[in-house]
Amino acid sequence: SQQGEEDPQALSIQEGENATMNCSYKTSINNLQWYRQNSGRGLVHLILIRSNEREKHSGRLRVTLDTSKKSSSLLITASRAADTASYFCATDFGNEKLTFGTGTRLTIIP
Amino acid sequence: NAGVMQNPRHLVRRRGQEARLRCSPMKGHSHVYWYRQLPEEGLKFMVYLQKENIIDESGMPKERFSAEFPKEGPSILRIQQVVRGDSAAYFCASSPYRDHEQFFGPGTRLTVL
Repeated sequence: SQQGEEDPQALSIQEGENATMNCSYKTSINNLQWYRQNSGRGLVHLILIRSNEREKHSGRLRVTLDTSKKSSSLLITASRAADTASYFCATDFGNEKLTFGTGTRLTIIP
Repeated sequence: NAGVMQNPRHLVRRRGQEARLRCSPMKGHSHVYWYRQLPEEGLKFMVYLQKENIIDESGMPKERFSAEFPKEGPSILRIQQVVRGDSAAYFCASSPYRDHEQFFGPGTRLTVL
């Protein structure tokens, strides 16, 4: 399977702490995208990082990509209660079909 | 610029009926993708369409499922003779061109009784 796998499956942290989620995949990618999904809702696009990029930032989010290890990480700094959601990585192998992992369920404890 | 629109948001069908799910992409987006999400799982690709053309339908079940994206109007995902296993959330995404972010709609939650 080419499926991306997020790690950990679930993460609970105190408000204000940083949260780190990891994603691993098996074959070469064109790009990797991170999404957030609140319970029962649609997906919100967070960041796209291309295979020739190593790091991208957006507000409190930082995404890294290590193509030699076939892995990516999403860091959320200074977490807030509103960050509670499931986070998915999705890989594009160049065929426009995003392959999603099963997600990391993040809970921020106020 | 409105986001991706999907309707209905919730759809209940009895076994054997037909389900029609609609997706209006963001303005200026000509690439549409359909994904299915089963409970507690990630999304699974179904089909990729450009205006009037099916580009990749490798994720679509061979029978009962079809998709279209006509020149005018929304993209339609059609499921004929629904079965209980079709119960899922169906998401549509759009992008303006290849190798770009895919923006998702709110989804249609299909329940088959």
